[in-house]
Amino acid sequence: GIQVEQSPPDLILQEGANSTLRCNFSDSVNNLQWFHQNPWGQLINLFYIPSGTKQNGRLSATTVATERYSLLYISSSQTTDSGVYFCAVDPGANSKLTFGKGITLSVRP
Amino acid sequence: EPEVTQTPSHQVTQMGQEVILRCVPISNHLYFYWYRQILGQKVEFLVSFYNNEISEKSEIFDDQFSVERPDGSNFTLKIRSTKLEDSAMYFCASGGTEAFFGQGTRLTVV
Repeated sequence: GIQVEQSPPDLILQEGANSTLRCNFSDSVNNLQWFHQNPWGQLINLFYIPSGTKQNGRLSATTVATERYSLLYISSSQTTDSGVYFCAVDPGANSKLTFGKGITLSVRP
Repeated sequence: EPEVTQTPSHQVTQMGQEVILRCVPISNHLYFYWYRQILGQKVEFLVSFYNNEISEKSEIFDDQFSVERPDGSNFTLKIRSTKLEDSAMYFCASGGTEAFFGQGTRLTVV
């Protein structure tokens, strides 16, 4: 099956700093989503981005489908950004998602 | 904004007991899913459901598990004869091209 690799595995930032989270995948995809898992375990949809670039406030994401990677940018990080960020992909058309292992982000005040 | 809702949020059960996890998907969605996340690990696909039948299942989804859409709104995951290793967060999701996840049910088997 498709492989999803996320890097770095852990990231510690000072509040206000910027960061880039990377997701590499091993095959072409029809769906790519970024999620934030908060301390209560909830998976929050950040972006649906099988290709192209999107922005939502301080967050933006870019997927280069031909090169099989996606980047999540967090600017001016806040302590509430802490948690685990997952990339998930589906080579098919019905959102059977394969998740990466996640990136644990800690933002310190 | 429509959302996927799951009940209960937490469930503690004795080993060997049966549990039913419940989900109300977003109403106009056609695909429904269950995923599982063992503590500290990644989220894993269990099963997808479309047109009132299982469309795909993972090797995790063995005879111990079953899914059902008992009415027009609910979607359930039944785990028979629970084992300690079934302890995990179980997520329901609905969608099609984009998946939307519920808040999860944390199942603890003791």
